[in-house]
Amino acid sequence: GESVGLHLPTLSVQEGDNSIINCAYSNSASDYFIWYKQESGKGPQFIIDIRSNMDKRQGQRVTVLLNKTVKHLSLQIAATQPGDSAVYFCAENENNAGNMLTFGGGTRLMVKP
Amino acid sequence: DGGITQSPKYLFRKEGQNVTLSCEQNLNHDAMYWYRQDPGQGLRLIYYSQIVNDFQKGDIAEGYSVSREKKESFPLTVTSAQKNPTAFYLCATSSYRGGGTQYFGPGTRLTVL
Repeated sequence: GESVGLHLPTLSVQEGDNSIINCAYSNSASDYFIWYKQESGKGPQFIIDIRSNMDKRQGQRVTVLLNKTVKHLSLQIAATQPGDSAVYFCAENENNAGNMLTFGGGTRLMVKP
Repeated sequence: DGGITQSPKYLFRKEGQNVTLSCEQNLNHDAMYWYRQDPGQGLRLIYYSQIVNDFQKGDIAEGYSVSREKKESFPLTVTSAQKNPTAFYLCATSSYRGGGTQYFGPGTRLTVL
């Protein structure tokens, strides 16, 4: 498959445990944030998003937390499964920047059976 | 992906040749983007188009060209002027009514022989 992210930070978790993936952003004007999942050899897949007027948003087995004070975003995956193994990266959109996104470098999640 | 197709999945090019990567979408999205992804690095924007017959350079446009003659299509040409074209190329689209979310195609892996 595609060798995406050979030198990315890696998070290794046991199957069934919860995973927390973090992302720091630098632009205080960013007001919209997205988490993507990218499996080897595939395009990124939208997971969940959050706007800056919220601190938390939940989806199916995933939760995104936004701390605007310290410009930090996290993705929590409950009951991590082998199929969750992938590279995860965040993206931010600045107000008045249209649909332009700035992407983080990504974190590789490895799930041990 | 889903409504975004990229072809071919794998492409091999000899040095000195131009090659064109296809991106087609049936989502009726206004904006389309081309990104380059290298191992250990985040997504880098090559070109984007917010409307038919208009496109703008991204951060790494040198050695690439695009056209946007139809809303559904945004082909990328990698020219011989691109010194290091081996990479994974991703096409994305977004709708102005979608609040900033970009959706990605499955990608094309280009290798220069």
